Amino acid sequence: KNQVEQSPQSLIILEGKNCTLQCNYTVSPFSNLRWYKQDTGRGPVSLTIMTFSENTKSNGRYTATLDADTKQSSLHITASQLSDSASYICVVSPSFRSGYNKLIFGAGTRLAVHP
Amino acid sequence: KAGVTQTPRYLIKTRGQQVTLSCSPISGHRSVSWYQQTPGQGLQFLFEYFSETQRNKGNFPGRFSGRQFSNSRSEMNVSTLELGDSALYLCASSLDLSGNTIYFGEGSWLTVV
Repeated sequence: KNQVEQSPQSLIILEGKNCTLQCNYTVSPFSNLRWYKQDTGRGPVSLTIMTFSENTKSNGRYTATLDADTKQSSLHITASQLSDSASYICVVSPSFRSGYNKLIFGAGTRLAVHP
Repeated sequence: KAGVTQTPRYLIKTRGQQVTLSCSPISGHRSVSWYQQTPGQGLQFLFEYFSETQRNKGNFPGRFSGRQFSNSRSEMNVSTLELGDSALYLCASSLDLSGNTIYFGEGSWLTVV
């Protein structure tokens, strides 16, 4: 069964600190993996997208890594800011040959950055 | 260019009523997907439309339906509302079916009382 699991479920860090969020998936075949940031009550916003052949992708203070062999991805946030407080969702897309945009979502990690 | 537009943003309905939500995708995008998000279940796929045809459907009862118009705008309808239908309904717009470009709208908050 295709699944995406994220850890930790929630995380509290102090402003300025770094943190790393984890994502394990069992989706196969696999087209791409994305990380989204979702503020409460808002739509998810894409942070990074990586194909199976990419190992790392950065977007400002956000850096995602991907190990297709172990089916693991991480999202590293550097020098956290209060505005980083949100849910971070790992999303895996199976092979696009399925004929539709099928996304498999993780449950998300709820990050709270405290001053 | 304008993003994905969902209307209404907030609405309150009574049990048994029906509701229609609208989604205007990014200009040029032909695929529209709908998702339900609840605190306990996370994001769950409802259905996807491409060129006015439903391409895929999630595991939701028949009370949930949708359609897509020739201009790619999409609507979803929920009939005979139940309390458990209270959720954030998100629309995602995509250029095609490659899975490479997917953008979400801000969502429609539905509260059923």
